[in-house]
Amino acid sequence: AQSVTQPDIHITVSEGASLELRCNYSYGATPYLFWYVQSPGQGLQLLLKYFSGDTLVQGIKGFEAEFKRSQSSFNLRKPSVHWSDAAEYFCAVGASGTGGGADGLTFGKGTHLIIQP
Amino acid sequence: DGGITQSPKYLFRKEGQNVTLSCEQNLNHDAMYWYRQDPGQGLRLIYYSQIVNDFQKGDIAEGYSVSREKKESFPLTVTSAQKNPTAFYLCASSIRAGGNTDTQYFGPGTRLTVL
Repeated sequence: AQSVTQPDIHITVSEGASLELRCNYSYGATPYLFWYVQSPGQGLQLLLKYFSGDTLVQGIKGFEAEFKRSQSSFNLRKPSVHWSDAAEYFCAVGASGTGGGADGLTFGKGTHLIIQP
Repeated sequence: DGGITQSPKYLFRKEGQNVTLSCEQNLNHDAMYWYRQDPGQGLRLIYYSQIVNDFQKGDIAEGYSVSREKKESFPLTVTSAQKNPTAFYLCASSIRAGGNTDTQYFGPGTRLTVL
């Protein structure tokens, strides 16, 4: 079964500084990888996704992520954070189900991003 | 506007009572999902449905039930058999039943509290 690890429960970054959120996955075949963001008490919004092709993926709000197969990682980056980026960030992996159907995603436990003024 | 709606936003239940959470989508998506979110635990899959009148158990289906009588609706019932029902419940949908690469779109969630 697939799994996702987000090693950092909390990260504090100063406004304007760069950001990297770590995500490691475990899956035997080519994974389908996602990053979602959640504001308090809200649903999840997709930031970006990787299925195949270029390993550097661009998303919304100035975020990008790089798929590194050799490291089983899909880290999220942003060159300069804004106070509005404070939120919970989730990495997720989708696997090709045994029946070929649309199974649910497997999520990491999330990283809480705090922005210091 | 197209999207996913969940109601109510907050729900309180007494122990021993069943309660049903609503999820509706007007995106014409085939697949729908229910996740449970607990602090520090991420999201865990409860049930999913790839097509009307069919649904599958996820990782934590015990104490929950669902139905999929219409394409746009996927209600979740939290039964009295669910031992720790207090949580944030998120509904999601994706466009195709056979597409694991399809993006899942999430509703705003329902916070259930058992008193």
